[in-house]
Amino acid sequence: DTGVSQDPRHKITKRGQNVTFRCDPISEHNRLYWYRQTLGQGPEFLTYFQNEAQLEKSRLLSDRFSAERPKGSFSTLEIQRTEQGDSAMYLCASSLGEGNYRREQYFGPGTRLTVT
Amino acid sequence: GQSLEQPSEVTAVEGAIVQINCTYQTSGFYGLSWYQQHDGGAPTFLSYNALDGLEETGRFSSFLSRSDSYGYLLLQELQMKDSASYFCAVRDGTGGFKTIFGAGTRLFVKA
Repeated sequence: DTGVSQDPRHKITKRGQNVTFRCDPISEHNRLYWYRQTLGQGPEFLTYFQNEAQLEKSRLLSDRFSAERPKGSFSTLEIQRTEQGDSAMYLCASSLGEGNYRREQYFGPGTRLTVT
Repeated sequence: GQSLEQPSEVTAVEGAIVQINCTYQTSGFYGLSWYQQHDGGAPTFLSYNALDGLEETGRFSSFLSRSDSYGYLLLQELQMKDSASYFCAVRDGTGGFKTIFGAGTRLFVKA
């Protein structure tokens, strides 16, 4: 257990439905990342927050994806009008900014999304 | 753009030493990281190299050559529990915060 939690751990939804995932990072970590991972691939960057500010979003991400981090604590990732191609593991990671020269990220257990 | 290449699979026997290579292409460089991921688990941080040379952490070591855009992860005294996927990763070289991961090397440790 890294201290990063994600909810739910599994989500099955029908195509066209909206889904929302939650991530609770390690409390003192100001940086938060969302990734998507499919079988046999490495994590693919989706978006990054520093405190409550969303500083970067992948160009690969369609407008159906949105993320928030109100008050710089937990974060949510919403996917609207889900498609079968959205089926993947969605990972959240957090890290400490200043003083973290190794820039290590601590990953949560992920939310596995299946779109039927 | 940025890209990383690493072998897809490596097999070794218990007690042996194995090296997992990673070559990268980035427009800038902010260090090379390594992560381990067991099946069904989350990636966990192993090591980070910002400067050339070897970094040692217990049975694991990581090496970087910036002039060759190359690094490797060295695992010594292999144990069955080391069977996992290993990812090298770099930070986006354009000054952003995006982290780019390789496709991963699946390590099989045999008895």
